[in-house]
Amino acid sequence: EVQLVESGGGLIQPGGSLRLSCAASGFTVSSNFMSWVRQAPGKGLEWVSVIYSGGSTYYADSVKGRFTISRDNSKNTLYLQMDSLRAEDTAVYYCTSLYGDFVFDHWGQGTLVTVSS
Amino acid sequence: SYELTQPLSVSVALGQTARITCGGNKIGNKNVHWYQQKPGQAPVLVIYRDNNRPSGIPERFSGSNSGNTATLTISRAQAGDESDYYCQVWDGSTHVIFGGGTKLTVL
Repeated sequence: EVQLVESGGGLIQPGGSLRLSCAASGFTVSSNFMSWVRQAPGKGLEWVSVIYSGGSTYYADSVKGRFTISRDNSKNTLYLQMDSLRAEDTAVYYCTSLYGDFVFDHWGQGTLVTVSS
Repeated sequence: SYELTQPLSVSVALGQTARITCGGNKIGNKNVHWYQQKPGQAPVLVIYRDNNRPSGIPERFSGSNSGNTATLTISRAQAGDESDYYCQVWDGSTHVIFGGGTKLTVL
């Protein structure tokens, strides 16, 4: 059974940095496409970033240059490094696996990031 | 940039058929995926590539896509179907787009 468990969320001041982690079990992160999707409080879903099995990465325009997606194959873990955080980055961040034309098939339970002074 | 438009809310009587639309320019030329999200929970894939159900999703859930509108249809609606529903497409390059979401109420 595929399981994705996020951690690392919390309260951070504007301009600060935070690293989210997503520990996977039941499948191999490095062999799959992985993504982060976020949801601001009371709002809809917003795609953030993807890392392909070959290592290529892509980002939403709203986070490009500030966020970095990566993985540690030895730990079977996905990461999202978030720098220069803004109030509008406040959201629940979900780790997801995907295939084909961005079919998000497995989701973690999410971790809440609050950017506030 | 590409946009997807969903109604904010849809209501359906218990046991009847609910239809949730997702509008986009020539969306019929794209593959549309649908997700169900209950309060406090992560989204769950219910339809992929317009009209395919993942294992474990009831046959009551179906989808269609043509022209400028994709539709998620829920037959014989149950109280447990009350959720937010999101449509989603990939633009074929570097962008993933979600609709704004529709709150389904079962009366």
